[in-house]
Amino acid sequence: AQSVTQLDSQVPVFEEAPVELRCNYSSSVSVYLFWYVQYPNQGLQLLLKYLSGSTLVKGINGFEAEFNKSQTSFHLRKPSVHISDTAEYFCAVTPGDDKIIFGKGTRLHILP
Amino acid sequence: NAGVTQTPKFQVLKTGQSMTLQCAQDMNHEYMSWYRQDPGMGLRLIHYSVGAGITDQGEVPNGYNVSRSTTEDFPLRLLSAAPSQTSVYFCASSYGAPNTGELFFGEGSRLTVL
Repeated sequence: AQSVTQLDSQVPVFEEAPVELRCNYSSSVSVYLFWYVQYPNQGLQLLLKYLSGSTLVKGINGFEAEFNKSQTSFHLRKPSVHISDTAEYFCAVTPGDDKIIFGKGTRLHILP
Repeated sequence: NAGVTQTPKFQVLKTGQSMTLQCAQDMNHEYMSWYRQDPGMGLRLIHYSVGAGITDQGEVPNGYNVSRSTTEDFPLRLLSAAPSQTSVYFCASSYGAPNTGELFFGEGSRLTVL
């Protein structure tokens, strides 16, 4: 069975500092990988996705993620965070069928 | 462009009452789905549909019914509400299967069952 593990439930980081949100997945088949963001009191929206090709994927708002097949990871990074990045971030995987499996989320707290 | 519209945004029910959460999308998406979001649990798939007339169960389908009579609408029914169904519910849609595209989410419906 496929699963997604987000290793940190909360990540505090100072404004303008870099951040990495960690995501590991388990799957016996090839997968597609996603990061979604949820701002307070809103639904989720897509940040970026990996389907194939280059393992470094760039998304909106300056975020990027790297697919590492050997480590089964898809960590999300941003070189300099802003207060507006305060949100909950969800890693997700689809094994190729009609379902998408979400991780439990990581809350990003930006400290002034 | 409305996207995915959910109603109501807030609802309080008593145990045993029934209700329907409405979801409509105007993007001609074939795929629609319902998730519930609980603290520390992430999003869990309740039911999904790959097209009008076709529905299937997700991870946590018990206590919920769905139907898909049109491409645009995908209502979620609670036949006899229980306190364990207190949650925030999200409807999401995509043009094709979610494994290659982008899921578009509604703003959520917060349900409290007393």
